[in-house]
Amino acid sequence: AQSVTQLDSHVSVSEGTPVLLRCNYSSSYSPSLFWYVQHPNKGLQLLLKYTSAATLVKGINGFEAEFKKSETSFHLTKPSAHMSDAAEYFCVVSGRYNQGGKLIFGQGTELSVKP
Amino acid sequence: EAGVAQSPRYKIIEKRQSVAFWCNPISGHATLYWYQQILGQGPKLLIQFQNNGVVDDSQLPKDRFSAERLKGVDSTLKIQPAKLEDSAVYLCASYRTSGSRYNEQFFGPGTRLTVL
Repeated sequence: AQSVTQLDSHVSVSEGTPVLLRCNYSSSYSPSLFWYVQHPNKGLQLLLKYTSAATLVKGINGFEAEFKKSETSFHLTKPSAHMSDAAEYFCVVSGRYNQGGKLIFGQGTELSVKP
Repeated sequence: EAGVAQSPRYKIIEKRQSVAFWCNPISGHATLYWYQQILGQGPKLLIQFQNNGVVDDSQLPKDRFSAERLKGVDSTLKIQPAKLEDSAVYLCASYRTSGSRYNEQFFGPGTRLTVL
Protein backbone atom coordinates (compact mmCIF):
# COMPACT_ATOMS: atom_id res chain seq x y z
CA ALA A 1 0.00 0.00 0.00
CA GLN A 2 1.12 3.52 -0.68
CA SER A 3 0.84 6.62 1.44
CA VAL A 4 2.28 10.08 1.83
CA THR A 5 2.85 12.16 4.94
CA GLN A 6 3.22 15.90 4.73
CA LEU A 7 5.17 16.87 7.79
CA ASP A 8 3.82 20.40 8.18
CA SER A 9 0.19 21.44 8.00
CA HIS A 10 1.14 25.09 7.73
CA VAL A 11 4.32 26.90 6.66
CA SER A 12 4.81 30.64 6.80
CA VAL A 13 7.66 32.45 5.03
CA SER A 14 8.52 35.99 4.13
CA GLU A 15 8.52 37.10 0.52
CA GLY A 16 11.94 36.54 -1.04
CA THR A 17 12.99 33.81 1.40
CA PRO A 18 13.32 30.10 0.57
CA VAL A 19 10.41 27.69 0.73
CA LEU A 20 10.64 24.11 1.99
CA LEU A 21 7.58 21.85 2.10
CA ARG A 22 8.33 18.38 3.43
CA CYS A 23 6.89 15.10 2.25
CA ASN A 24 7.68 11.49 3.11
CA TYR A 25 6.21 8.61 1.14
CA SER A 26 5.65 4.91 1.57
CA SER A 27 5.38 2.57 -1.38
CA SER A 28 5.85 -1.13 -1.92
CA TYR A 29 7.24 -0.50 -5.40
CA SER A 30 8.89 2.27 -7.38
CA PRO A 31 6.54 5.20 -6.98
CA SER A 32 5.45 8.05 -9.15
CA LEU A 33 5.39 11.19 -7.03
CA PHE A 34 3.78 14.54 -7.66
CA TRP A 35 3.26 17.92 -6.12
CA TYR A 36 -0.02 19.70 -6.81
CA VAL A 37 -0.98 23.23 -5.84
CA GLN A 38 -4.47 24.47 -5.08
CA HIS A 39 -5.20 28.17 -4.93
CA PRO A 40 -8.39 29.29 -3.17
CA ASN A 41 -11.45 28.49 -5.25
CA LYS A 42 -9.27 27.16 -8.04
CA GLY A 43 -8.67 23.67 -9.38
CA LEU A 44 -5.68 21.50 -8.63
CA GLN A 45 -2.65 22.26 -10.76
CA LEU A 46 0.33 19.97 -11.28
CA LEU A 47 3.59 21.58 -10.16
CA LEU A 48 5.96 18.74 -10.96
CA LYS A 49 6.25 14.97 -11.18
CA TYR A 50 8.84 12.28 -10.56
CA THR A 51 8.65 9.05 -12.54
CA SER A 52 12.03 7.29 -12.01
CA ALA A 53 14.06 9.53 -14.28
CA ALA A 54 16.22 12.30 -12.81
CA THR A 55 15.98 12.52 -9.03
CA LEU A 56 15.94 16.34 -9.09
CA VAL A 57 12.73 17.42 -10.73
CA LYS A 58 12.05 20.93 -11.90
CA GLY A 59 8.53 22.21 -12.10
CA ILE A 60 6.63 25.34 -12.91
CA ASN A 61 7.03 28.73 -11.22
CA GLY A 62 10.55 27.98 -9.98
CA PHE A 63 9.65 25.01 -7.81
CA GLU A 64 11.71 21.85 -7.68
CA ALA A 65 11.76 18.64 -5.69
CA GLU A 66 14.35 15.99 -4.99
CA PHE A 67 13.53 12.30 -4.79
CA LYS A 68 15.59 10.60 -2.07
CA LYS A 69 14.94 6.90 -1.97
CA SER A 70 17.13 6.29 1.09
CA GLU A 71 15.09 8.81 3.05
CA THR A 72 11.75 8.07 1.32
CA SER A 73 11.36 11.80 0.90
CA PHE A 74 10.20 14.13 -1.85
CA HIS A 75 10.52 17.64 -0.44
CA LEU A 76 9.40 20.67 -2.44
CA THR A 77 11.62 23.75 -2.53
CA LYS A 78 11.76 27.19 -4.08
CA PRO A 79 14.68 29.60 -3.66
CA SER A 80 12.61 32.74 -3.27
CA ALA A 81 8.95 32.92 -2.29
CA HIS A 82 6.51 35.19 -4.06
CA MET A 83 3.21 36.44 -2.73
CA SER A 84 1.42 34.51 -5.46
CA ASP A 85 2.83 31.24 -4.05
CA ALA A 86 0.41 31.41 -1.13
CA ALA A 87 -1.78 28.32 -1.57
CA GLU A 88 -2.37 24.74 -0.44
CA TYR A 89 0.22 22.22 -1.60
CA PHE A 90 -0.36 18.48 -1.86
CA CYS A 91 2.23 15.73 -2.10
CA VAL A 92 0.81 12.80 -4.04
CA VAL A 93 1.87 9.22 -4.76
CA SER A 94 0.80 6.78 -7.42
CA GLY A 95 2.35 3.36 -7.66
CA ARG A 96 2.04 2.27 -11.24
CA TYR A 97 2.79 4.57 -14.11
CA ASN A 98 0.94 4.34 -17.39
CA GLN A 99 -2.01 2.63 -15.79
CA GLY A 100 -4.09 5.61 -14.80
CA GLY A 101 -3.97 4.44 -11.22
CA LYS A 102 -5.52 6.37 -8.41
CA LEU A 103 -3.63 9.20 -6.76
CA ILE A 104 -3.15 9.16 -3.01
CA PHE A 105 -2.95 12.63 -1.56
CA GLY A 106 -1.29 13.87 1.57
CA GLN A 107 -3.19 16.07 3.99
CA GLY A 108 -1.81 19.23 2.45
CA THR A 109 0.46 22.05 3.56
CA GLU A 110 -0.85 25.58 3.61
CA LEU A 111 1.82 28.04 2.55
CA SER A 112 1.51 31.62 3.73
CA VAL A 113 3.78 34.33 2.33
CA LYS A 114 4.26 37.50 4.34
CA PRO A 115 5.20 40.77 2.63
CA GLU B 1 -7.26 21.97 -25.41
CA ALA B 2 -10.28 22.56 -23.21
CA GLY B 3 -9.99 21.43 -19.61
CA VAL B 4 -12.21 19.24 -17.48
CA ALA B 5 -15.62 20.85 -17.07
CA GLN B 6 -17.84 20.44 -14.02
CA SER B 7 -21.22 21.77 -13.03
CA PRO B 8 -22.65 23.14 -10.94
CA ARG B 9 -19.83 24.97 -9.21
CA TYR B 10 -21.76 25.37 -5.97
CA LYS B 11 -24.74 23.57 -4.47
CA ILE B 12 -26.53 23.98 -1.16
CA ILE B 13 -29.08 21.37 -0.09
CA GLU B 14 -30.69 20.12 3.07
CA LYS B 15 -29.91 16.75 4.51
CA ARG B 16 -31.85 13.85 3.06
CA GLN B 17 -32.21 15.65 -0.25
CA SER B 18 -30.68 14.38 -3.48
CA VAL B 19 -28.03 16.05 -5.60
CA ALA B 20 -26.21 15.30 -8.85
CA PHE B 21 -22.95 16.56 -10.26
CA TRP B 22 -21.85 16.50 -13.87
CA CYS B 23 -18.39 16.15 -15.39
CA ASN B 24 -17.14 16.42 -18.95
CA PRO B 25 -13.54 15.20 -19.26
CA ILE B 26 -10.90 16.33 -21.72
CA SER B 27 -11.68 15.00 -25.16
CA GLY B 28 -10.06 11.64 -25.79
CA HIS B 29 -9.36 10.88 -22.12
CA ALA B 30 -10.55 7.36 -21.48
CA THR B 31 -10.07 7.36 -17.70
CA LEU B 32 -12.23 9.48 -15.43
CA TYR B 33 -12.10 9.88 -11.66
CA TRP B 34 -14.31 11.38 -8.99
CA TYR B 35 -12.64 12.59 -5.80
CA GLN B 36 -14.10 13.93 -2.59
CA GLN B 37 -12.19 16.69 -0.78
CA ILE B 38 -13.40 17.45 2.71
CA LEU B 39 -12.31 20.80 4.12
CA GLY B 40 -8.77 20.61 5.48
CA GLN B 41 -7.99 17.27 3.84
CA GLY B 42 -6.51 16.01 0.62
CA PRO B 43 -8.78 14.63 -2.10
CA LYS B 44 -9.86 11.01 -1.74
CA LEU B 45 -10.79 8.83 -4.69
CA LEU B 46 -14.43 7.81 -4.84
CA ILE B 47 -14.61 6.03 -8.18
CA GLN B 48 -12.53 5.44 -11.30
CA PHE B 49 -13.92 4.71 -14.77
CA GLN B 50 -12.12 3.31 -17.77
CA ASN B 51 -14.30 4.26 -20.72
CA ASN B 52 -17.77 3.39 -19.36
CA GLY B 53 -16.64 0.60 -17.04
CA VAL B 54 -15.87 0.91 -13.33
CA VAL B 55 -12.24 0.15 -12.41
CA ASP B 56 -12.26 1.04 -8.72
CA ASP B 57 -15.19 2.00 -6.53
CA SER B 58 -13.90 0.57 -3.26
CA GLN B 59 -14.16 3.94 -1.48
CA LEU B 60 -17.62 4.85 -2.79
CA PRO B 61 -20.38 4.74 -0.11
CA LYS B 62 -22.68 2.70 -2.28
CA ASP B 63 -25.67 2.98 0.02
CA ARG B 64 -26.03 6.64 -0.94
CA PHE B 65 -23.59 7.44 -3.75
CA SER B 66 -23.87 6.33 -7.35
CA ALA B 67 -22.01 7.24 -10.50
CA GLU B 68 -22.28 6.47 -14.16
CA ARG B 69 -20.42 7.25 -17.31
CA LEU B 70 -22.63 6.71 -20.27
CA LYS B 71 -20.94 6.27 -23.66
CA GLY B 72 -17.54 6.63 -22.02
CA VAL B 73 -17.56 10.42 -22.06
CA ASP B 74 -19.57 12.52 -19.57
CA SER B 75 -20.14 11.31 -16.06
CA THR B 76 -22.60 12.05 -13.29
CA LEU B 77 -22.18 11.50 -9.56
CA LYS B 78 -25.31 11.34 -7.43
CA ILE B 79 -25.89 11.43 -3.70
CA GLN B 80 -29.23 10.20 -2.39
CA PRO B 81 -29.97 10.95 0.41
CA ALA B 82 -27.33 13.48 1.43
CA LYS B 83 -25.88 13.63 4.94
CA LEU B 84 -24.18 16.49 6.71
CA GLU B 85 -20.81 14.76 6.36
CA ASP B 86 -21.13 14.83 2.57
CA SER B 87 -20.31 18.54 2.61
CA ALA B 88 -17.16 18.71 0.53
CA VAL B 89 -15.72 19.67 -2.83
CA TYR B 90 -16.27 17.00 -5.48
CA LEU B 91 -13.49 16.94 -8.03
CA CYS B 92 -13.53 15.29 -11.41
CA ALA B 93 -10.29 14.38 -13.15
CA SER B 94 -9.37 12.69 -16.40
CA TYR B 95 -6.33 10.92 -17.80
CA ARG B 96 -5.33 9.81 -21.27
CA THR B 97 -4.34 6.16 -21.19
CA SER B 98 -2.54 5.93 -24.52
CA GLY B 99 0.64 7.63 -25.58
CA SER B 100 1.58 8.82 -22.12
CA ARG B 101 3.89 7.21 -19.61
CA TYR B 102 3.11 9.51 -16.79
CA ASN B 103 0.16 9.25 -14.48
CA GLU B 104 -0.84 12.87 -14.84
CA GLN B 105 -4.42 13.64 -14.04
CA PHE B 106 -6.13 16.85 -15.09
CA PHE B 107 -8.61 18.21 -12.57
CA GLY B 108 -11.76 20.20 -13.03
CA PRO B 109 -12.61 23.21 -10.82
CA GLY B 110 -14.82 21.11 -8.55
CA THR B 111 -18.34 21.37 -7.18
CA ARG B 112 -18.61 22.69 -3.64
CA LEU B 113 -21.50 20.95 -1.85
CA THR B 114 -22.92 22.27 1.40
CA VAL B 115 -25.42 20.07 3.22
CA LEU B 116 -27.47 21.89 5.86
